[in-house]
Amino acid sequence: DIQMTQSPSSLSASVGDRVTITCRASQGISNYLAWFQQKPGKAPKSLIYAASRLQSGVPSKFSGSGSGTDFTLTISSLQPEDFATYYCQQYNTYPYTFGQGTKLEIK
Amino acid sequence: QVQLQESGPGLVTPSGTLSLTCAVSGGSISSSNWWTWVRQPPGKGLEWIGEIYHSGSTNYNPSLKSRVNISVDKSKNQLSLKLSSVTAADTALYYCARVDTVRYFDLWGRGTLVTVSS
Repeated sequence: DIQMTQSPSSLSASVGDRVTITCRASQGISNYLAWFQQKPGKAPKSLIYAASRLQSGVPSKFSGSGSGTDFTLTISSLQPEDFATYYCQQYNTYPYTFGQGTKLEIK
Repeated sequence: QVQLQESGPGLVTPSGTLSLTCAVSGGSISSSNWWTWVRQPPGKGLEWIGEIYHSGSTNYNPSLKSRVNISVDKSKNQLSLKLSSVTAADTALYYCARVDTVRYFDLWGRGTLVTVSS
């Protein structure tokens, strides 16, 4: 299985900050990488697919980059509603696998 | 707007079979999408279980393949998950999701918690 490693596991930031989360695949996955946001009791929300393409309706403050094994999710101008857990997921190879998550907390 | 809603027993006895359904509303399960199940044990990461196309074609996670069956009921516009011989390790929040035509999971349900306990 392809291992997906996210860093950091948790992150404290302030409203207005810009943060970056990284995701590394144990082998190349081209650009078959998605990011999504999860809040307690809510359905996970797709943010980015194909490493850098924004899901319809997602604000442009979210951006993704990378290819091969190294990827990043950047969130600019943090707002209270952005504090959540973020996951990466590869869909290049079965079985699809996820990163362990990054919990973004208010400082 | 398409919505997904998981449902099923919240408690299953060890060695029993976990059975869940995912109702698709606002759209057709026979669209050009695959449909998938993902689970998340309490406090742990996400695990992909498997996926199905409305034709009945499936792909499963090899780690669960011997115990899993995913099916589609087009008349009810829903998909189902059955996981047999469950243990406490199968206690998790179970999600269904839609797989976009370019293969990422673009829409998720809220999930349903299943606890395996006697």
